[in-house]
Amino acid sequence: QQQVKQSPQSLIVQKGGIPIINCAYENTAFDYFPWYQQFPGKGPALLIAIRPDVSEKKEGRFTISFNKSAKQFSLHIMDSQPGDSATYFCAASREDYGGSQGNLIFGKGTKLSVKP
Amino acid sequence: NAGVTQTPKFRILKIGQSMTLQCTQDMNHNYMYWYRQDPGMGLKLIYYSVGAGITDKGEVPNGYNVSRSTTEDFPLRLELAAPSQTSVYFCASSYQGSYGYTFGSGTRLTVV
Repeated sequence: QQQVKQSPQSLIVQKGGIPIINCAYENTAFDYFPWYQQFPGKGPALLIAIRPDVSEKKEGRFTISFNKSAKQFSLHIMDSQPGDSATYFCAASREDYGGSQGNLIFGKGTKLSVKP
Repeated sequence: NAGVTQTPKFRILKIGQSMTLQCTQDMNHNYMYWYRQDPGMGLKLIYYSVGAGITDKGEVPNGYNVSRSTTEDFPLRLELAAPSQTSVYFCASSYQGSYGYTFGSGTRLTVV
């Protein structure tokens, strides 16, 4: 019940394409769903996050879509660029809780390559 | 601000050796975490701390120990290194709970 399942494992798109990365969770108590972006040799960095009171959130070219009933959320990258090539991780947690319940549970990651 | 600083960046250990991975943050964050990252396996939580003097196990704590004597520092100790501990280790911190983790740049450890 603590897992976050992420797909696909890798993704190749052409510049300008719209890669979509999907995540599914089981714990209905989760109420915070961030995405992290990781470039080679660097630590992950927070990209965008959503809470279950909204179905979509946009920040620049990045959009999170959230489906509470299906327990799924996805990341869309509009007009993708070669500079977006990175590994993307979804995560989930109970944000307002400290201790183990508040720790982020990460998906296994998606390696995105955007070809020029 | 430096954020989260990890040292060393790279290390090769022989089986059975011990070492300490250092992590320091200058953001006055209460929460600190140690993760390991293996190819295709995502980030696995090793240990975490919600404040100075308080630590707890994560998903994969075996073979590791931590301490948190100050708010700033959260070292990870490997005793009797094994090849299964070959991985990239990330330290992270947050002000409170799961919002906005700040990660260090990682330590790549190889055990031979």
